[in-house]
Amino acid sequence: EAGVAQSPRYKIIEKRQSVAFWCNPISGHATLYWYQQILGQGPKLLIQFQNNGVVDDSQLPKDRFSAERLKGVDSTLKIQPAKLEDSAVYLCASTTPGANVLTFGAGSRLTVL
Amino acid sequence: EDQVTQSPEALRLQEGESSSLNCSYTVSGLRGLFWYRQDPGKGPEFLFTLYSAGEEKEKERLKATLTKKESFLHITAPKPEDSATYLCAVDGSSNTGKLIFGQGTTLQVKP
Repeated sequence: EAGVAQSPRYKIIEKRQSVAFWCNPISGHATLYWYQQILGQGPKLLIQFQNNGVVDDSQLPKDRFSAERLKGVDSTLKIQPAKLEDSAVYLCASTTPGANVLTFGAGSRLTVL
Repeated sequence: EDQVTQSPEALRLQEGESSSLNCSYTVSGLRGLFWYRQDPGKGPEFLFTLYSAGEEKEKERLKATLTKKESFLHITAPKPEDSATYLCAVDGSSNTGKLIFGQGTTLQVKP
């Protein structure tokens, strides 16, 4: 079984620039999550999708972050404009609906200069 | 508000020196407590789920236990390949999968 795919693995941008991250979940996993992991901290949920609908985006900074999952499969997380404090690893995870064991991708590491 | 606190932040052991990692939690209604392992440059990898006080699970040199306020990850006779960051998380909301993570314990096992 293929795992959760994420790209790019690394991205360096200057503040106020924009960036986008892509995630392809495990085949058949209807539920998809984006977590933010700042260095030295545990992951924090940004947004949860079930199919192409948003279940929870209460911790997504909506003035600069956006996410979509148009066809209920892969997803894109965008940051515009980026701030220094957005430097982190952005983890995508997926699972089947109702299950709570998440499978994570390797993450996309963002550095904002 | 649900909270998870892990201790210690870092732990250095000699190969074969057993120890325990602690995860203290406060949650209104526990729907599951999770242990994940995270290697540098990788995403968290699932180890265990515990659902009720008194429950225990084992995998190779790892054993996870759960009480009403905390969980322990016991590592027996660790090897260098057990070196990683161990993350504890709780699922305490009605939104299944919204995990609240602790900050992790970074374990280094020296040969």
